[in-house]
Amino acid sequence: TQLLEQSPQFLSIQEGENLTVYCNSSSVFSSLQWYRQEPGEGPVLLVTVVTGGEVKKLKRLTFQFGDARKDSSLHITAAQPGDTGLYLCAGARAGNNRKLIWGLGTSLAVNP
Amino acid sequence: DTGVSQDPRHKITKRGQNVTFRCDPISEHNRLYWYRQTLGQGPEFLTYFQNEAQLEKSRLLSDRFSAERPKGSFSTLEIQRTEQGDSAMYLCASSPATGRETQYFGPGTRLLVL
Repeated sequence: TQLLEQSPQFLSIQEGENLTVYCNSSSVFSSLQWYRQEPGEGPVLLVTVVTGGEVKKLKRLTFQFGDARKDSSLHITAAQPGDTGLYLCAGARAGNNRKLIWGLGTSLAVNP
Repeated sequence: DTGVSQDPRHKITKRGQNVTFRCDPISEHNRLYWYRQTLGQGPEFLTYFQNEAQLEKSRLLSDRFSAERPKGSFSTLEIQRTEQGDSAMYLCASSPATGRETQYFGPGTRLLVL
């Protein structure tokens, strides 16, 4: 059972376009992390969101945590080829902070 | 460099051989995790340590897999009698004891079993 649904699974866009990646669950999370991973490397932490309704910005990336802490989104403005990679969301469930629940990832390709 | 490090970065072995991977976590982190990741998938949890105690082990982890963290610092993951299905990226992550569960990953060890 996939507890954290991530969509879309694949995304291929042109440089300069905007995109949004979604992470949805029926479970409540105490925190949710977004990672970016390049081939042959480990995931690199982008952001951790904790509070329902929280919005965090990292340059052209905007992260939002749902009010009920069950879902999150990542929005990229004016995508660049350097944004290409696998984007992963992972949630820590309330009361069980030791193990993260992972989405399957969104593979993003930004074409010049 | 104060990040998580893993050694080796790549390992090619023949089926039936034993392999051992090492992970050095961020120095002040007392939680350490091992994951396995195959192409196009998210990380799959294998096991978790708090200090030297192994507190959780995935049911997916066969008896051929063993992990240790003898002094609560670095950890090793051993796979005995490797099989082709063990080919994957093995990731290590660490996190501090308190606060939100943010995990910081190493670069991974890519294993290929021939």
